[in-house]
Amino acid sequence: DAGVIQSPRHEVTEMGQEVTLRCKPISGHDYLFWYRQTMMRGLELLIYFNNNVPIDDSGMPEDRFSAKMPNASFSTLKIQPSEPRDSAVYFCASSLPGQGLRGNTIYFGEGSWLTVV
Amino acid sequence: GNSVTQMEGPVTLSEEAFLTINCTYTATGYPSLFWYVQYPGEGLQLLLKATKADDKGSNKGFEATYRKETTSFHLEKGSVQVSDSAVYFCALPSGAGSYQLTFGKGTKLSVIP
Repeated sequence: DAGVIQSPRHEVTEMGQEVTLRCKPISGHDYLFWYRQTMMRGLELLIYFNNNVPIDDSGMPEDRFSAKMPNASFSTLKIQPSEPRDSAVYFCASSLPGQGLRGNTIYFGEGSWLTVV
Repeated sequence: GNSVTQMEGPVTLSEEAFLTINCTYTATGYPSLFWYVQYPGEGLQLLLKATKADDKGSNKGFEATYRKETTSFHLEKGSVQVSDSAVYFCALPSGAGSYQLTFGKGTKLSVIP
């Protein structure tokens, strides 16, 4: 089975430009997560969706960040305008529903490595 | 909400050495516990998990036992290889009924020949 697919794998852009990161979750997974990973802050949850509906976006750093999930097989994370401090690895992940405290395995994509110069 | 604390790295070991990476948790109830691994240039992937107290998760020679008495889930391997060099994350559900995981800060392991 195909895993979580992200694109682009690497992106270098100039400050002020718009960046769009794309994600295709594993088919049948109800939950989709966007994470950001930096050396300074580690792994941070930005936003997650259930059945295409945003559930918790409290981790989105500011209004320059937006995420959409127009259908069950596609999501985007957009940064406009981008700034050098946005340089990070952005991971998309998906899962089936957890069962109470049991949780469930979250499957990660290979990440989009963003550099803003 | 639930939280995990894992030992800070980096950890550097020689090949065939014994590995322990400590993880302790604070949680309501007895949630499942997870270890994820991130190899260089890749995303995180599940290494092992345990769903109840005294369970032992194991995979690829790694083991971790769910200890409710000490609220711990330490990761161990008897003989590490260069290919085990990676960042290891302890994780648990963020709260009762939560559909997201809370991750530790990660421990970077380097194994030298």
